[in-house]
Amino acid sequence: EIVLTQSPGTLSLSPGERATLSCRASQSVSSTYLAWYQQKPGQAPRLLIYGASSRATGIPDRFSGSGSGTDFTLTISRLEPEDFAVYYCQQYDGSQYTFGQGTKLEIK
Amino acid sequence: AHLVESGGGLVKPGGSLRLSCVASGFTFNHAWMTWVRQAPGKGLEWVGRIKSKTDGATTAYAAPMKGRFSISRDDSRNTLYLQMNSLKTEDTAVYYCTKVSGSGYPLEFWGQGTLVTVSS
Repeated sequence: EIVLTQSPGTLSLSPGERATLSCRASQSVSSTYLAWYQQKPGQAPRLLIYGASSRATGIPDRFSGSGSGTDFTLTISRLEPEDFAVYYCQQYDGSQYTFGQGTKLEIK
Repeated sequence: AHLVESGGGLVKPGGSLRLSCVASGFTFNHAWMTWVRQAPGKGLEWVGRIKSKTDGATTAYAAPMKGRFSISRDDSRNTLYLQMNSLKTEDTAVYYCTKVSGSGYPLEFWGQGTLVTVSS
Protein backbone atom coordinates (compact mmCIF):
# COMPACT_ATOMS: atom_id res chain seq x y z
CA GLU A 1 0.00 0.00 0.00
CA ILE A 2 1.27 3.46 -0.87
CA VAL A 3 1.35 5.69 2.21
CA LEU A 4 0.91 9.44 1.78
CA THR A 5 2.34 11.74 4.44
CA GLN A 6 1.19 15.37 4.49
CA SER A 7 3.03 18.24 6.11
CA PRO A 8 2.63 20.31 8.07
CA GLY A 9 -0.19 18.90 10.17
CA THR A 10 -1.45 22.41 10.86
CA LEU A 11 -0.58 25.59 9.00
CA SER A 12 -1.43 28.98 10.54
CA LEU A 13 -1.54 31.84 8.06
CA SER A 14 -3.37 35.12 7.47
CA PRO A 15 -5.68 36.03 4.59
CA GLY A 16 -3.66 37.28 1.64
CA GLU A 17 -0.66 35.08 2.43
CA ARG A 18 0.61 32.20 0.34
CA ALA A 19 0.05 28.61 1.53
CA THR A 20 2.26 25.69 0.55
CA LEU A 21 1.08 22.19 1.51
CA SER A 22 3.20 19.09 0.98
CA CYS A 23 2.31 15.48 0.21
CA ARG A 24 5.04 12.83 0.19
CA ALA A 25 4.47 9.27 -1.02
CA SER A 26 6.18 6.14 0.31
CA GLN A 27 6.86 5.10 -3.29
CA SER A 28 6.56 6.74 -6.67
CA VAL A 29 3.06 7.80 -7.70
CA SER A 30 1.97 8.52 -11.25
CA SER A 31 1.14 12.22 -11.50
CA THR A 32 -1.97 11.21 -13.45
CA TYR A 33 -3.41 9.65 -10.32
CA LEU A 34 -2.63 12.29 -7.66
CA ALA A 35 -5.47 14.51 -6.44
CA TRP A 36 -6.17 17.11 -3.75
CA TYR A 37 -9.40 17.75 -1.85
CA GLN A 38 -10.70 20.49 0.44
CA GLN A 39 -13.02 19.76 3.35
CA LYS A 40 -14.81 22.33 5.47
CA PRO A 41 -16.45 21.46 8.82
CA GLY A 42 -19.70 19.56 8.42
CA GLN A 43 -19.28 19.25 4.65
CA ALA A 44 -18.24 16.54 2.24
CA PRO A 45 -14.80 16.88 0.66
CA ARG A 46 -14.54 18.72 -2.66
CA LEU A 47 -12.17 17.87 -5.49
CA LEU A 48 -9.68 20.69 -6.10
CA ILE A 49 -6.86 19.26 -8.21
CA TYR A 50 -6.50 16.09 -10.26
CA GLY A 51 -3.63 14.77 -12.34
CA ALA A 52 -1.35 16.55 -9.85
CA SER A 53 -1.83 19.95 -11.53
CA SER A 54 -5.24 20.23 -13.24
CA ARG A 55 -7.90 22.28 -11.51
CA ALA A 56 -11.35 20.72 -11.18
CA THR A 57 -14.37 22.54 -12.57
CA GLY A 58 -15.08 25.81 -10.79
CA ILE A 59 -11.88 25.88 -8.74
CA PRO A 60 -10.30 29.36 -8.63
CA ASP A 61 -6.88 29.81 -10.22
CA ARG A 62 -5.31 30.76 -6.89
CA PHE A 63 -5.17 26.99 -6.30
CA SER A 64 -2.37 25.17 -8.08
CA GLY A 65 -0.76 21.76 -7.84
CA SER A 66 2.67 20.54 -8.79
CA GLY A 67 5.12 17.72 -8.26
CA SER A 68 6.05 14.28 -9.48
CA GLY A 69 7.36 10.95 -8.25
CA THR A 70 7.09 11.03 -4.47
CA ASP A 71 6.76 14.77 -3.78
CA PHE A 72 3.67 16.82 -4.53
CA THR A 73 2.60 20.32 -3.52
CA LEU A 74 -0.65 22.23 -3.29
CA THR A 75 -0.20 25.99 -3.39
CA ILE A 76 -2.80 28.64 -2.62
CA SER A 77 -1.37 31.89 -3.94
CA ARG A 78 -3.37 34.41 -1.89
CA LEU A 79 -5.53 33.04 0.88
CA GLU A 80 -9.17 34.04 0.98
CA PRO A 81 -11.23 33.63 4.20
CA GLU A 82 -13.12 30.70 2.65
CA ASP A 83 -9.87 28.76 2.03
CA PHE A 84 -9.35 27.90 5.70
CA ALA A 85 -10.19 24.22 5.81
CA VAL A 86 -8.59 20.77 5.86
CA TYR A 87 -6.79 19.59 2.73
CA TYR A 88 -6.15 15.98 1.73
CA CYS A 89 -3.99 14.48 -0.97
CA GLN A 90 -5.01 11.15 -2.51
CA GLN A 91 -3.46 8.65 -4.89
CA TYR A 92 -4.75 5.75 -6.99
CA ASP A 93 -2.38 2.93 -7.93
CA GLY A 94 -4.69 1.14 -10.35
CA SER A 95 -6.30 -0.93 -7.61
CA GLN A 96 -6.35 0.95 -4.31
CA TYR A 97 -6.89 4.53 -3.25
CA THR A 98 -5.11 6.04 -0.27
CA PHE A 99 -5.40 9.44 1.37
CA GLY A 100 -2.93 11.50 3.31
CA GLN A 101 -3.81 12.31 6.92
CA GLY A 102 -4.68 15.92 6.05
CA THR A 103 -3.32 19.41 6.64
CA LYS A 104 -5.46 21.83 8.61
CA LEU A 105 -5.13 25.38 7.31
CA GLU A 106 -6.18 27.75 10.07
CA ILE A 107 -6.42 31.51 10.41
CA LYS A 108 -3.52 33.06 12.28
CA ALA B 1 -24.35 15.37 -10.42
CA HIS B 2 -26.16 14.49 -7.20
CA LEU B 3 -25.50 11.64 -4.79
CA VAL B 4 -27.73 10.88 -1.80
CA GLU B 5 -26.73 8.27 0.75
CA SER B 6 -29.10 6.59 3.18
CA GLY B 7 -29.28 3.62 5.49
CA GLY B 8 -27.00 4.76 8.27
CA GLY B 9 -27.87 4.37 11.94
CA LEU B 10 -27.00 2.63 15.18
CA VAL B 11 -26.02 -1.03 15.04
CA LYS B 12 -24.51 -3.39 17.62
CA PRO B 13 -21.04 -4.89 17.21
CA GLY B 14 -21.25 -7.98 15.04
CA GLY B 15 -24.32 -6.68 13.27
CA SER B 16 -24.97 -5.82 9.64
CA LEU B 17 -26.13 -2.75 7.75
CA ARG B 18 -26.72 -1.90 4.10
CA LEU B 19 -26.12 1.62 2.83
CA SER B 20 -27.61 2.95 -0.39
CA CYS B 21 -26.59 5.81 -2.63
CA VAL B 22 -28.98 7.14 -5.27
CA ALA B 23 -27.32 8.96 -8.15
CA SER B 24 -28.70 11.52 -10.57
CA GLY B 25 -27.41 14.07 -13.06
CA PHE B 26 -24.97 11.77 -14.85
CA THR B 27 -24.96 8.45 -16.68
CA PHE B 28 -24.72 6.14 -13.68
CA ASN B 29 -24.22 2.92 -15.63
CA HIS B 30 -21.03 4.31 -17.17
CA ALA B 31 -19.56 5.44 -13.86
CA TRP B 32 -17.07 3.86 -11.52
CA MET B 33 -18.15 4.48 -7.93
CA THR B 34 -16.45 4.31 -4.55
CA TRP B 35 -17.25 4.48 -0.86
CA VAL B 36 -15.07 6.57 1.47
CA ARG B 37 -15.51 6.85 5.23
CA GLN B 38 -14.49 9.31 7.91
CA ALA B 39 -14.43 8.42 11.58
CA PRO B 40 -15.43 11.24 13.96
CA GLY B 41 -12.68 13.86 14.05
CA LYS B 42 -10.43 11.79 11.78
CA GLY B 43 -9.27 11.81 8.17
CA LEU B 44 -10.61 10.17 5.04
CA GLU B 45 -10.34 6.41 4.51
CA TRP B 46 -11.12 4.70 1.21
CA VAL B 47 -13.47 1.73 1.64
CA GLY B 48 -13.81 0.23 -1.82
CA ARG B 49 -14.63 0.69 -5.49
CA ILE B 50 -16.87 -0.86 -8.14
CA LYS B 51 -16.26 -0.41 -11.83
CA SER B 52 -19.00 -0.01 -14.43
CA LYS B 53 -20.62 -3.13 -15.89
CA THR B 54 -18.89 -2.31 -19.17
CA ASP B 55 -15.60 -2.63 -17.31
CA GLY B 56 -16.67 -5.84 -15.61
CA ALA B 57 -18.28 -4.39 -12.46
CA THR B 58 -15.20 -5.58 -10.59
CA THR B 59 -14.70 -4.54 -7.00
CA ALA B 60 -11.69 -3.71 -4.85
CA TYR B 61 -11.55 -3.08 -1.11
CA ALA B 62 -9.23 -1.62 1.46
CA ALA B 63 -7.60 -4.27 3.62
CA PRO B 64 -9.62 -3.59 6.84
CA MET B 65 -12.89 -4.08 4.94
CA LYS B 66 -11.99 -7.09 2.82
CA GLY B 67 -14.24 -10.06 3.53
CA ARG B 68 -16.68 -8.00 5.63
CA PHE B 69 -17.87 -5.31 3.22
CA SER B 70 -19.37 -5.77 -0.23
CA ILE B 71 -20.15 -3.16 -2.87
CA SER B 72 -22.79 -3.70 -5.53
CA ARG B 73 -24.81 -1.65 -7.97
CA ASP B 74 -28.24 -1.64 -9.57
CA ASP B 75 -27.95 0.38 -12.75
CA SER B 76 -31.71 0.15 -13.36
CA ARG B 77 -32.24 2.09 -10.13
CA ASN B 78 -29.15 4.34 -10.40
CA THR B 79 -28.21 3.01 -6.98
CA LEU B 80 -24.96 2.00 -5.33
CA TYR B 81 -24.90 -0.24 -2.26
CA LEU B 82 -22.51 -1.01 0.57
CA GLN B 83 -23.27 -4.17 2.53
CA MET B 84 -21.43 -4.15 5.84
CA ASN B 85 -21.22 -7.31 7.94
CA SER B 86 -19.46 -8.24 11.19
CA LEU B 87 -19.39 -4.58 12.15
CA LYS B 88 -16.87 -3.37 14.71
CA THR B 89 -16.85 -0.25 16.88
CA GLU B 90 -14.01 1.08 14.73
CA ASP B 91 -16.34 1.07 11.70
CA THR B 92 -18.17 4.04 13.25
CA ALA B 93 -17.91 6.79 10.66
CA VAL B 94 -19.67 8.96 8.12
CA TYR B 95 -19.82 6.99 4.88
CA TYR B 96 -19.66 8.90 1.60
CA CYS B 97 -20.37 7.57 -1.86
CA THR B 98 -18.42 9.18 -4.67
CA LYS B 99 -18.34 9.18 -8.44
CA VAL B 100 -14.98 8.47 -10.02
CA SER B 101 -13.85 10.68 -12.89
CA GLY B 102 -12.56 9.00 -16.00
CA SER B 103 -9.62 11.41 -16.13
CA GLY B 104 -7.05 10.11 -13.68
CA TYR B 105 -9.72 8.52 -11.48
CA PRO B 106 -10.13 11.27 -8.85
CA LEU B 107 -13.32 11.32 -6.81
CA GLU B 108 -15.11 14.14 -8.59
CA PHE B 109 -18.51 14.14 -6.87
CA TRP B 110 -19.40 13.30 -3.27
CA GLY B 111 -22.66 12.70 -1.48
CA GLN B 112 -23.42 14.39 1.84
CA GLY B 113 -22.67 11.20 3.77
CA THR B 114 -24.58 8.94 6.15
CA LEU B 115 -23.50 8.25 9.74
CA VAL B 116 -22.99 4.69 10.92
CA THR B 117 -22.55 4.17 14.65
CA VAL B 118 -21.46 0.76 15.92
CA SER B 119 -22.03 0.55 19.65
CA SER B 120 -23.54 -1.77 22.22
